Amino acid sequence: QKEVEQDPGPLSVPEGAIVSLNCTYSNSAFQYFMWYRQYSRKGPELLMYTYSSGNKEDGRFTAQVDKSSKYISLFIRDSQPSDSATYLCAREYGNKLVFGAGTILRVKS
Amino acid sequence: NAGVMQNPRHLVRRRGQEARLRCSPMKGHSHVYWYRQLPEEGLKFMVYLQKENIIDESGMPKERFSAEFPKEGPSILRIQQVVRGDSAAYFCASSPKFGFPQHFGDGTRLSIL
Repeated sequence: QKEVEQDPGPLSVPEGAIVSLNCTYSNSAFQYFMWYRQYSRKGPELLMYTYSSGNKEDGRFTAQVDKSSKYISLFIRDSQPSDSATYLCAREYGNKLVFGAGTILRVKS
Repeated sequence: NAGVMQNPRHLVRRRGQEARLRCSPMKGHSHVYWYRQLPEEGLKFMVYLQKENIIDESGMPKERFSAEFPKEGPSILRIQQVVRGDSAAYFCASSPKFGFPQHFGDGTRLSIL
């Protein structure tokens, strides 16, 4: 079983839709979870990170962690074509990050 | 732009040659991490370094790969006697303190002929 599981998509939505991106993880050790956005031929860009359980909001983005079900989510409100990218979830594992495979998101205008 | 700088952006090598990838961390960051992204796979941790010290190299292949972060200058990821399977995007990240948040550079794309 992979440490972090993520549906690769692609996920295609119309402009303005609410997008839900999800990951599951298998190891309950360690507390920080991150979401990165990666455009083609670029490096991952840190969007948000959360500690333990609960929600964290930043503009159109909300990150949610449910430790009881080992589930992490990223919600994007009022999605824009510029949000089209690969979204990577990650969790800290001591001094390193363990990533999911990434979900490709396409927002159509 | 004071972000993580990686060079070269693209590197082409023939089988058996050496590849040297360089990474300058963000200003004020003293922790450097290298990750590899193979086609159709996620990012995989390779090594974690602080100035003049390798802290965790648990993700490094046992042979041909080495990394350093000298007191002066960028961090270097070195791959000796490259093979086709080394073709990948290599990303460097840095953080101001142990672990996170980690900020990434735009990577070096290594192609082996």
